[in-house]
Amino acid sequence: EVQLVESGGGLVQPGGSLRLSCAASGFTFSDYYMDWVRQAPGKGLEWVGHIRKKDNSYTTEYAASVKGRFIISRDDSKNSLYLQMNSLKTEDTAVYYCARVGILTGSGYFDYWGQGTLVTVSS
Amino acid sequence: DIQMTQSPSTLSASVGDRVTITCRASQSISSWLAWYQQKPGKAPKLLIYKASSLESGVPSRFSGSGSGTEFTLTISSLQPDDFATYYCQQYNSYSLTFGGGTKVEIK
Repeated sequence: EVQLVESGGGLVQPGGSLRLSCAASGFTFSDYYMDWVRQAPGKGLEWVGHIRKKDNSYTTEYAASVKGRFIISRDDSKNSLYLQMNSLKTEDTAVYYCARVGILTGSGYFDYWGQGTLVTVSS
Repeated sequence: DIQMTQSPSTLSASVGDRVTITCRASQSISSWLAWYQQKPGKAPKLLIYKASSLESGVPSRFSGSGSGTEFTLTISSLQPDDFATYYCQQYNSYSLTFGGGTKVEIK
């Protein structure tokens, strides 16, 4: 069974940093691209960023709203995905989901999602 | 960025109704569109990918159609479990973008 379990959320002050983790199981993690998606309280879904696999040099893409502040990385030996969030702003408050990208050629849709972890940025 | 516009934002319907949700892209995305269902406090669930391909395990009352800039999600006969919020998402190009969501409520 595919499982994605996020951790690391919590309360942080504006300007602070936080690192989220996503532990994957039930599939060959290294074969998949992975993404982070967030959802502010009572709002819709917002894509945060993407990391490709080793064959694609682990290249990344980011939403304009987080580019230069957030860094996505992965450790295939630990079946884990990470989101390093720096210079946090109050508008970064959201539930953060890790999501697996479907394996079909050209895909960019998300076939499995974690349960999410809440990040609250407030003084 | 490609903007995704869903309509309506809220829809009131009864069990057994046929329901249609529309998603429009600000430029052509070919068939690179997915639909998700989300219930309160839960992660989204994939329903449809590549505009019309039904994800494994999703009931056949769900269907998707369209290409280019206009897409629809249809629920042929609304069931009690279908009351939820639905989102479209384009994956033609980065940045990936979602529609604003359509909440399907009980009439």
